[in-house]
Amino acid sequence: GENVEQHPSTLSVQEGDSAVIKCTYSDSASNYFPWYKQELGKRPQLIIDIRSNVGEKKDQRIAVTLNKTAKHFSLHITETQPEDSAVYFCAASSRRDDKIIFGKGTRLHILP
Amino acid sequence: NAGVTQTPKFRILKIGQSMTLQCAQDMNHNYMYWYRQDPGMGLKLIYYSVGAGITDKGEVPNGYNVSRSTTEDFPLRLELAAPSQTSVYFCASSYLGQYQETQYFGPGTRLLVL
Repeated sequence: GENVEQHPSTLSVQEGDSAVIKCTYSDSASNYFPWYKQELGKRPQLIIDIRSNVGEKKDQRIAVTLNKTAKHFSLHITETQPEDSAVYFCAASSRRDDKIIFGKGTRLHILP
Repeated sequence: NAGVTQTPKFRILKIGQSMTLQCAQDMNHNYMYWYRQDPGMGLKLIYYSVGAGITDKGEVPNGYNVSRSTTEDFPLRLELAAPSQTSVYFCASSYLGQYQETQYFGPGTRLLVL
């Protein structure tokens, strides 16, 4: 089955700098890659997603890139702000079984 | 739309007790999922369903059972609760047609087994 690895587990960046979180997946049949943000005590919420027919997608300060050959995808947050502090999860879904499997998460700290 | 709703919000169980976690969605989504999230950890898929009458195991199904008699409801049953089942349980739903659509999560059920 699908296995999703996420790095780093913790990331601290200075406010205004960029943050990058990386994920790899194992199933070459995976075709949907969402990213979620989870604030303390809250439910995960989708912030951006990408399908396997595109290599990059951007939404204001957030972008996701996908390299199908290497089976990895990344989340980029530019001009980080205090409200970006949260846990971020990547996930992958394969048409083989349509499960959505999550990485272990990255705790992002934005330093003043 | 209420989205995805879960009850109860919080529950304390004694070892060996049983309970059912309720989940409902009003978005006419065909896919529904149950995840557990241990403290400081990621989301592990317990069971999922592709439609009424169809369920399948996820990554950590042992100790749980599910049913999907309607499109809207997807209850999770814990039989013989164990301390290892202490966790936050999230139900989620999505629509899968030609493409996978956004997955929406419920607010979660915090379960403590003592």
